[in-house]
Amino acid sequence: DAGVTQSPTHLIKTRGQHVTLRCSPISGHKSVSWYQQVLGQGPQFIFQYYEKEERGRGNFPDRFSARQFPNYSSELNVNALLLGDSALYLCASSLGGGNQPQHFGDGTRLSIL
Amino acid sequence: DAKTTQPPSMDCAEGRAANLPCNHSTISGNEYVYWYRQIHSQGPQYIIHGLKNNETNEMASLIITEDRKSSTLILPHATLRDTAVYYCIGGPTSGSRLTFGEGTQLTVNP
Repeated sequence: DAGVTQSPTHLIKTRGQHVTLRCSPISGHKSVSWYQQVLGQGPQFIFQYYEKEERGRGNFPDRFSARQFPNYSSELNVNALLLGDSALYLCASSLGGGNQPQHFGDGTRLSIL
Repeated sequence: DAKTTQPPSMDCAEGRAANLPCNHSTISGNEYVYWYRQIHSQGPQYIIHGLKNNETNEMASLIITEDRKSSTLILPHATLRDTAVYYCIGGPTSGSRLTFGEGTQLTVNP
């Protein structure tokens, strides 16, 4: 079975632009979470969606938004990009609820010039 | 979520067991202990999780102390491909927000 897939794998943007990152969860998984990983640090939680509703939000500005579609895929949108938004953006999916482990994709590497 | 403490780095000889410790003294009674690892340039890989009993799967074993304040991840026969950053995470109860710390850089040497 396919794991979590993310697109694109790499992206270069300039300050002030916006970006959309995409994630397809493992088949049957209904929960999708997004994380930001800055170089040299562990991933930081941004959002969680379950059954198309936001179920959790981390400490990120309103420039960050996300949504989940009826097929459980998800998009992360970031507006007014800053240099500090340069990071690896990770998507994770799980069955949802309880102690089900999350499974990660290999991320989108976003570079802001 | 519980705060976890891990050594920043460890070394292990290829073929030997790698024992990675984690302190999670603030873990609550219904929080699980999760272990992930991250190989350079890849997403974190789920390894194992447990609540109070020891757990084993095809990748590793997880030993949780009776008071649940610490745990040890055991890779029984480490290979060079096990070189990675290993994260121990306490919680969450809802399965949503994982709080990653700095992790342990495990280097397996030939």
